[in-house]
Amino acid sequence: EDQVTQSPEALRLQEGESSSLNCSYTVSGLRGLFWYRQDPGKGPEFLFTLYSAGEEKEKERLKATLTKKESFLHITAPKPEDSATYLCAVQADGGGNKLTFGTGTQLKVEL
Amino acid sequence: ETGVTQTPRHLVMGMTNKKSLKCEQHLGHNAMYWYKQSAKKPLELMFVYNFKEQTENNSVPSRFSPECPNSSHLFLHLHTLQPEDSALYLCASSQALTRGRGDTQYFGPGTRLTVL
Repeated sequence: EDQVTQSPEALRLQEGESSSLNCSYTVSGLRGLFWYRQDPGKGPEFLFTLYSAGEEKEKERLKATLTKKESFLHITAPKPEDSATYLCAVQADGGGNKLTFGTGTQLKVEL
Repeated sequence: ETGVTQTPRHLVMGMTNKKSLKCEQHLGHNAMYWYKQSAKKPLELMFVYNFKEQTENNSVPSRFSPECPNSSHLFLHLHTLQPEDSALYLCASSQALTRGRGDTQYFGPGTRLTVL
């Protein structure tokens, strides 16, 4: 069974204090690992798709990396507007287009 | 309008009511999904439609009835719901790639459902 575990559950940072969120996964074969950002009461907003170990993608202050067992979302010099819940999901070989989600990391960036 | 839209954004209903949620995607995708999101729990996949055909029903109670008349529209018909069905209901769409590289899903804003 595919599994996704995200840590920490919650993270509080000062503005400008860089950090990383972790997503550990177990799948029979990885088709893709996805990162989303979700603001309260809204739908998840797509950030990145990573397909194979060693791949990295960047967008503004966010950088996602992937190994065979985990993915990291690095946040460099965060701002208060980066406060949100960050969700990780995996799609497995033989699972069609089904996504398995983690429970998310709730990030709060303070002035 | 672009992306994935959902209506209504908020819905309050009694246990004996019948209501429907609507989703429309403007991305030219061929797969559509319904998810349920409850507090402190991962997103739960409910239904998947590929090219208008239902390809997954994740053991969802029959009080939830999906309908997909075409690749751009998806409905979730609700009847005789329970208070524990209160949640954020999310619609998503994707290209419907079932093999090879991952198939990215794009989400709508959700419908916040409260069952009294």
